[in-house]
Amino acid sequence: GAGVSQSPSNKVTEKGKDVELRCDPISGHTALYWYRQSLGQGLEFLIYFQGNSAPDKSGLPSDRFSAERTGGSVSTLTIQRTQQEDSAVYLCASSLSSGGGSTEAFFGQGTRLTVV
Amino acid sequence: AQSVTQLGSHVSVSEGALVLLRCNYSSSVPPYLFWYVQYPNQGLQLLLKYTSAATLVKGINGFEAEFKKSETSFHLTKPSAHMSDAAEYFCAVSAGAAGNKLTFGGGTRVLVKP
Repeated sequence: GAGVSQSPSNKVTEKGKDVELRCDPISGHTALYWYRQSLGQGLEFLIYFQGNSAPDKSGLPSDRFSAERTGGSVSTLTIQRTQQEDSAVYLCASSLSSGGGSTEAFFGQGTRLTVV
Repeated sequence: AQSVTQLGSHVSVSEGALVLLRCNYSSSVPPYLFWYVQYPNQGLQLLLKYTSAATLVKGINGFEAEFKKSETSFHLTKPSAHMSDAAEYFCAVSAGAAGNKLTFGGGTRVLVKP
């Protein structure tokens, strides 16, 4: 597709269940990012993948959160044993490269996660 | 480490009036600065970015921003607001060594009155 694609667009899950959120970046983009947008915390960085380098996981809030990127393309963010405070919109972005920090990141429309 | 402060979580302007959204940043290295816009139920769209070239940056939809190092500011302006400018605006900073990891301000929601 032409842009960053995220699925599902909405997800309602019961507290304690595991969820997987998917991101398809723009073809050819080597950098991929996950952010979380919530009412109380604003937009927070979660994790960053760049090519074959080890991901920057410094923003993951707890060990219940993990992410992988297979084949340098699709990424999956997994939240285990979901809690109500995990309710948020999870945004994925991709860019051509880290570009020294100046390259535009293109964002998907997000997955709205609601934990009940 | 970087941080961004956006003054005013909500701004109300009349159609045709000046839009001014304030952003101040803190960065230990020369920053790259961005303004993004988010329309309801949409992702973020880049309005403009500063990457150490011209200090006055022009973006899409008639927006521009000026980088002022002495004031550590990157305020966003538009001379004449349009109803379609109603959205949430985010200022963000990245530092080269950290790649494109963006640190966002809290956002400013703009309401445009007819």
